[in-house]
Amino acid sequence: QKEVEQNSGPLSVPEGAIASLNCTYSDRGSQSFFWYRQYSGKSPELIMSIYSNGDKEDGRFTAQLNKASQYVSLLIRDSQPSDSATYLCAVNLGGDTNAGKSTFGDGTTLTVKP
Amino acid sequence: DTGVSQNPRHKITKRGQNVTFRCDPISEHNRLYWYRQTLGQGPEFLTYFQNEAQLEKSRLLSDRFSAERPKGSFSTLEIQRTEQGDSAMYLCASSSHDYPRDTQYFGPGTRLTVL
Repeated sequence: QKEVEQNSGPLSVPEGAIASLNCTYSDRGSQSFFWYRQYSGKSPELIMSIYSNGDKEDGRFTAQLNKASQYVSLLIRDSQPSDSATYLCAVNLGGDTNAGKSTFGDGTTLTVKP
Repeated sequence: DTGVSQNPRHKITKRGQNVTFRCDPISEHNRLYWYRQTLGQGPEFLTYFQNEAQLEKSRLLSDRFSAERPKGSFSTLEIQRTEQGDSAMYLCASSSHDYPRDTQYFGPGTRLTVL
């Protein structure tokens, strides 16, 4: 079992719809959670970070964290064709000893169709 | 703040040659990370530095790989006797010890092709 698992893609949604991306992690000690967007051939770009249970909203993006269920998700509202990319979930144990080393899922590829 | 930079952006080499990559982190960041990413996979952790100290190395980092961060500024990643399996995107990221907590910002990456 991988330490960070993401729902298998590809995921296709029509323009204007809500895209839902999911991620589960195995280490209960994980403290920091991140979503990155990665366009083909480019490096990961940070979208959201979340540290506490609940929802965190930033524009069209909402991250949701449930530590009891070891689950983190990303919702993209009013999806646009420019949102078409691979979305990476990253999890950190945090703290001084682990110093933010990130463990990544393999990503979910999202296609938004006009 | 010019972001994380990496050089070169692309490197093509023949099997058995040595290659070296450079990463310049965001200036106020004291932590620097190296990851490797192959097609269809998420980035895999290789090693990280806090200031000039290399604090952790992944088991993925064989004896052919070495990383340095002299003076706690830029970092280099060297691969000796390259193999075709080393072909990948090598990503560098940096973060601050403080706010925002553990948030890593990536450079553009160095794409290595070993022929």
